[in-house]
Amino acid sequence: DGGITQSPKYLFRKEGQNVTLSCEQNLNHDAMYWYRQDPGQGLRLIYYSQIVNDFQKGDIAEGYSVSREKKESFPLTVTSAQKNPTAFYLCASSIISGSADTQYFGPGTRLTVL
Amino acid sequence: QKEVEQNSGPLSVPEGAIASLNCTYSDRVSQSFFWYRQYSGKSPELIMSIYSNGDKEDGRFTAQLNKASQYVSLLIRDSQPSDSATYLCAVPNNAGNMLTFGGGTRLMVKP
Repeated sequence: DGGITQSPKYLFRKEGQNVTLSCEQNLNHDAMYWYRQDPGQGLRLIYYSQIVNDFQKGDIAEGYSVSREKKESFPLTVTSAQKNPTAFYLCASSIISGSADTQYFGPGTRLTVL
Repeated sequence: QKEVEQNSGPLSVPEGAIASLNCTYSDRVSQSFFWYRQYSGKSPELIMSIYSNGDKEDGRFTAQLNKASQYVSLLIRDSQPSDSATYLCAVPNNAGNMLTFGGGTRLMVKP
C-alpha cells in the first residue's frame, strides 16, 4: 500500500525534553511538509523540504528542527525551546509538478506536554 | 502574506439540505484552490481542487470559483450526517510548493 505513515500516534513529553516525530512516505513524492494544528484552528506550516538534504522554514519554525537524509523520510524534532508544543502534528507530501501540487496527509501525531 | 478566511461555524444544516461553505483569499494571483475535509481527531483528506473560474462538480460536491471576487465555495448537495466535519480551504503560493490554509468551517448535518 502506498501512503504516508507517522509515528507514534500519541506522544507525551516532559518539559525540557526533546522529542522526535517520524514521517515516512512510499509515494515517491519529492516534497514533504510538517504542519501544526491547535484545537479549532487551521494548519500552520513548520518546515518543508523539496529535495534531499535541503529544507526551508515555514511560518512557525522556532523551537523545531528537521532533517531530510532520505527522500522517504522527514523527521521533526520538537526541542525544549518550543514553549507550547502541545498540538496535533501533521506530515504531508506532494509531487513537484511546477504548478499547484496536491498535498496528501499522514494520520498525524498528537503531542502532549505533561 | 497570503490570507485565507473562512467562517469558523458551526454551520448546521438538516439532512438532505444543501450545505454552502465559503472561503475568501487575499492574493489576486492565486490560480488554484483546494478543499479538504477533516473529521474530528483525523488528518485532512482532499475533496476537490479547482483551477478555473466557474463550477466543478464531483458527485454531491460542487466547487465554485470567482477569481475577480477572490471567492471560492464548496456546495454539498443532499447533505448526510457523515458529512459532519471541518472543511478546510487551501490556497497555494505562486510557486505552487506551499499551501496556506484557512481556519476551517465546522459543518454539522442533523438527522
